[in-house]
Amino acid sequence: KAGVTQTPRYLIKTRGQQVTLSCSPISGHRSVSWYQQTPGQGLQFLFEYFSETQRNKGNFPGRFSGRQFSNSRSEMNVSTLELGDSALYLCASRLGPGYNQPQHFGDGTRLSIL
Amino acid sequence: AQSVTQPDIHITVSEGASLELRCNYSYGATPYLFWYVQSPGQGLQLLLKYFSGDTLVQGIKGFEAEFKRSQSSFNLRKPSVHWSDAAEYFCAVGQGGSEKLVFGKGTKLTVNP
Repeated sequence: KAGVTQTPRYLIKTRGQQVTLSCSPISGHRSVSWYQQTPGQGLQFLFEYFSETQRNKGNFPGRFSGRQFSNSRSEMNVSTLELGDSALYLCASRLGPGYNQPQHFGDGTRLSIL
Repeated sequence: AQSVTQPDIHITVSEGASLELRCNYSYGATPYLFWYVQSPGQGLQLLLKYFSGDTLVQGIKGFEAEFKRSQSSFNLRKPSVHWSDAAEYFCAVGQGGSEKLVFGKGTKLTVNP
């Protein structure tokens, strides 16, 4: 069974650009969460989607957005990139909402802003 | 708001030695607690979780953790560390209702031969 797949693995952008990251969950998983990981702030929750609806959102500016498609694949978009957006972005999937459903993480997309 | 503190940024142990990684949380109700491990260049892997019941929980790779409500702690332990255990370990608490995870800053484990 394939794991959570995130593409691309590495990305380099410049300030002011926008970027779209993709996440394909494990087959059958309908819940997808996104996290940002930086050396300074650690792991921070961005948002969670279930059945194409955003269920939860972290404390990030509106430049960070996401969506989920009917096949449960998810994308997150960051507009007007800033240097501080350089981070590892992790996606996690699970069968559905609820803590009894463990989250399975992908290997992340490393985003570097020049 | 809940928070998670991992007091040790970096721990070094010898292979075969025992290990304990500390985690303290701040949360009013009974928390959902997790330990994850992250190897370089990879995502997070769930080691174990605590929801309720027995306060000593067993996980994968020989790890266990004990929930102590009186100390607001959920420390991770392993009786004998292997070189392959070298990684970064994250404690997390789940916020009931919203189900988002709040992570500690992590503890990096180095294992000496």
